[in-house]
Amino acid sequence: GENVEQHPSTLSVQEGDSAVIKCTYSDSASNYFPWYKQELGKRPQLIIDIRSNVGEKKDQRIAVTLNKTAKHFSLHITETQPEDSAVYFCAAKMSVFKGSGNTGKLIFGQGTTLQVKP
Amino acid sequence: SQTIHQWPATLVQPVGSPLSLECTVEGTSNPNLYWYRQAAGRGLQLLFYSVGIGQISSEVPQNLSASRPQDRQFILSSKKLLLSDSGFYLCAWSVGLAGAKNIQYFGAGTRLSVL
Repeated sequence: GENVEQHPSTLSVQEGDSAVIKCTYSDSASNYFPWYKQELGKRPQLIIDIRSNVGEKKDQRIAVTLNKTAKHFSLHITETQPEDSAVYFCAAKMSVFKGSGNTGKLIFGQGTTLQVKP
Repeated sequence: SQTIHQWPATLVQPVGSPLSLECTVEGTSNPNLYWYRQAAGRGLQLLFYSVGIGQISSEVPQNLSASRPQDRQFILSSKKLLLSDSGFYLCAWSVGLAGAKNIQYFGAGTRLSVL
């Protein structure tokens, strides 16, 4: 069935270092891959996303890369700061039928707890 | 602008009692609506999604049900809560258009403790 695997489950880095989180997906029809950040006790919030027609996208210190052939995508955070500490979730969009068009649901990875040590 | 409201923020219920969590969205029409559960320290488990009034898809067989009586209202219910129903419940919405990215916007969540 539909599945998104995310690694590592926990990641600890020193402030200023880079952090990389990797995800693989099972549905080759997936065409949209968002990343969410969830701080303790808060709601998940979108931080960056990528469509399947793009191989890489960057927004300041965060970037996402996508390899459609291998069905994996990664989140890269450079120059990490203590406020980057949170749980990060990747997701892949699965299309579902909706009348004359398609809409989607997101399948989430299990999350990565990132700790940035000052 | 669009906003999503979810209540209550916290809830403590005894085993066997009923449950009703409500979620409403403002500022958009015909959204896709979702209910997720997040157990402590775990990922987001999709429970139900809805693409329109009265249209509910269940992802995981369980003790819960969902209803969408109005376009922007999504309700999560249970007739008899189990201990295993404890968790953080999140409602979310996305634009209900064909080909849309499916960016999901989450509510603030309800922390449910079943004792």
